[in-house]
Amino acid sequence: ETGVTQTPRHLVMGMTNKKSLKCEQHLGHNAMYWYKQSAKKPLELMFVYNFKEQTENNSVPSRFSPECPNSSHLFLHLHTLQPEDSALYLCASSHAGQPAGYTFGSGTRLTVV
Amino acid sequence: GENVEQHPSTLSVQEGDSAVIKCTYSDSASNYFPWYKQELGKRPQLIIDIRSNVGEKKDQRIAVTLNKTAKHFSLHITETQPEDSAVYFCAASINAGNMLTFGGGTRLMVKP
Repeated sequence: ETGVTQTPRHLVMGMTNKKSLKCEQHLGHNAMYWYKQSAKKPLELMFVYNFKEQTENNSVPSRFSPECPNSSHLFLHLHTLQPEDSALYLCASSHAGQPAGYTFGSGTRLTVV
Repeated sequence: GENVEQHPSTLSVQEGDSAVIKCTYSDSASNYFPWYKQELGKRPQLIIDIRSNVGEKKDQRIAVTLNKTAKHFSLHITETQPEDSAVYFCAASINAGNMLTFGGGTRLMVKP
């Protein structure tokens, strides 16, 4: 394990469903990120949290709603998704306030039917 | 904002040959440049990084070079092996903060 754990690993949901993705890190990091990975855009930044505060929302549709209750946990709440939202959703963490490498989780493979 | 361009998008080499992947960035304030390797079905993993106060860094068969004046940096893999086959991403820090901008990725195929 890398220290960044994502659940579930796979998720199939209908367009009217509501589901949540979870990310947890125990690396002592205080910045967490959501990325979308698809064939069209290999690593597309969605949201950034530094010290539990959202500092970046990269023009993400409101059907994606992030939540960061503490520096170790990050959620992505999903509702009324579209088939084009099918992708691999990667969580990452790093130290905040300084350039540093990210540690990625293994991702959640999402399929919207 | 920062823009990172990566070339080539695909690269095929024979086992034992060298592979070079190049990236350019736009923000002169960027000072941290990591490289990630993503094997099929796995997460991206940091393999090497370089900061703006050095021009080159090596770790066994991989090396990274940085030219701050030209705003480009490169990944060099020598004596390639089939297990080097993966997608490689370069990235550059945005200003001096913790956010990274990633390149579009290079799919490297090493033929035995």
